[in-house]
Amino acid sequence: GAGVSQTPSNKVTEKGKYVELRCDPISGHTALYWYRQSLGQGPEFLIYFQGTGAADDSGLPNDRFFAVRPEGSVSTLKIQRTERGDSAVYLCASSKSHENTEAFFGQGTRLTVV
Amino acid sequence: TQLLEQSPQFLSIQEGENLTVYCNSSSVFSSLQWYRQEPGEGPVLLVTVVTGGEVKKLKRLTFQFGDARKDSSLHITAAQPGDTGLYLCAGAIQGGSEKLVFGKGMKLTVNP
Repeated sequence: GAGVSQTPSNKVTEKGKYVELRCDPISGHTALYWYRQSLGQGPEFLIYFQGTGAADDSGLPNDRFFAVRPEGSVSTLKIQRTERGDSAVYLCASSKSHENTEAFFGQGTRLTVV
Repeated sequence: TQLLEQSPQFLSIQEGENLTVYCNSSSVFSSLQWYRQEPGEGPVLLVTVVTGGEVKKLKRLTFQFGDARKDSSLHITAAQPGDTGLYLCAGAIQGGSEKLVFGKGMKLTVNP
């Protein structure tokens, strides 16, 4: 597809479980961002990749959160030992490069921890 | 600490009214973007401004970047119900990691 694709669109998990959220960026975009958004709030920065490497992971809330982008395209956000407070919409965005920060977003994954 | 402060946070107006949304920071941005988000969707880019003092127009929307590149405004003329949504400003801090940081947004409701 032409846009950013995120899967799954919805995920319900039990407290303490492990989840993986996937992002397929726009082809050729080297920069990839993960954000977390709570209801009625702006997206909160989590991590930013330039190519395969995490250029800035200062937004990850704790060591239960981890993200990878092994081939510089698809990225996976991994959350261990999920907590109810992790419930939110997780948004992925990509941009052509780190110099061009015009970001294109996917529809997000709504994560609910019960 | 919120790097980008948006005001107002909520606005409910009647169709045909004008409005201005502000986005302020103490940081200098290399570029600043405005996005619009509807429920259940990701933010959609409206405009990018990069030069201090720059003004861009998109139909009834006018965007301005402050001279010092620390603030921006979005003015909507003759608002319509279709303008309803969450308006977000976002920017890349100059000299930083070029990560894109967002304000909390302004939720606009335009009543017919």
